[in-house]
Amino acid sequence: EDQVTQSPEALRLQEGESSSLNCSYTVSGLRGLFWYRQDPGKGPEFLFTLYSAGEEKEKERLKATLTKKESFLHITAPKPEDSATYLCAVQASGYGNKLVFGAGTILRVKS
Amino acid sequence: SQTIHQWPATLVQPVGSPLSLECTVEGTSNPNLYWYRQAAGRGLQLLFYSVGIGQISSEVPQNLSASRPQDRQFILSSKKLLLSDSGFYLCAWSPGQLREKLFFGSGTQLSVL
Repeated sequence: EDQVTQSPEALRLQEGESSSLNCSYTVSGLRGLFWYRQDPGKGPEFLFTLYSAGEEKEKERLKATLTKKESFLHITAPKPEDSATYLCAVQASGYGNKLVFGAGTILRVKS
Repeated sequence: SQTIHQWPATLVQPVGSPLSLECTVEGTSNPNLYWYRQAAGRGLQLLFYSVGIGQISSEVPQNLSASRPQDRQFILSSKKLLLSDSGFYLCAWSPGQLREKLFFGSGTQLSVL
């Protein structure tokens, strides 16, 4: 069965302490992998789309990478305002335009 | 620019009462529309999606239904709410093309008591 798994479930960092979040997937015919940021009580906010293995995208302190089986969201020198839940989702053939989401990683950055 | 409106933001309903959540999209035409539910600590579960007026696909058998009476309006309903219907409901839209990201509304926190 197709599956999207995110790890760790929760991550606590000190301000400036770089780390990575993982999203592993087992789908056939990947069309795209999406990263979203979600603040408490809000809807997810789009960050990146990655389409093929080897692709990388950057935005401020965030960098997303993609391999054939997983994606990483690297956070460099995080700040407290980076605290949020980070969700990944995959779009694959057989799912049409629908996205299948992982459970998310809750990130807390302490000053 | 496109915007998505979802209301209400919070809702507390007794078991057995009806439900109606509404979502509208502005600034685009013929979008794909989606209803997701998010349980605490869980990922987003797709409930319904629609590619056009009157066209609804259900992903999970449940106590809920959806309707799309107009091109940019999507409604989530229930005749009788269950405790298990509690959760955070999100409406989303996409341009309808392959490889396009979803844009989410601000969500409705539903508590069934």
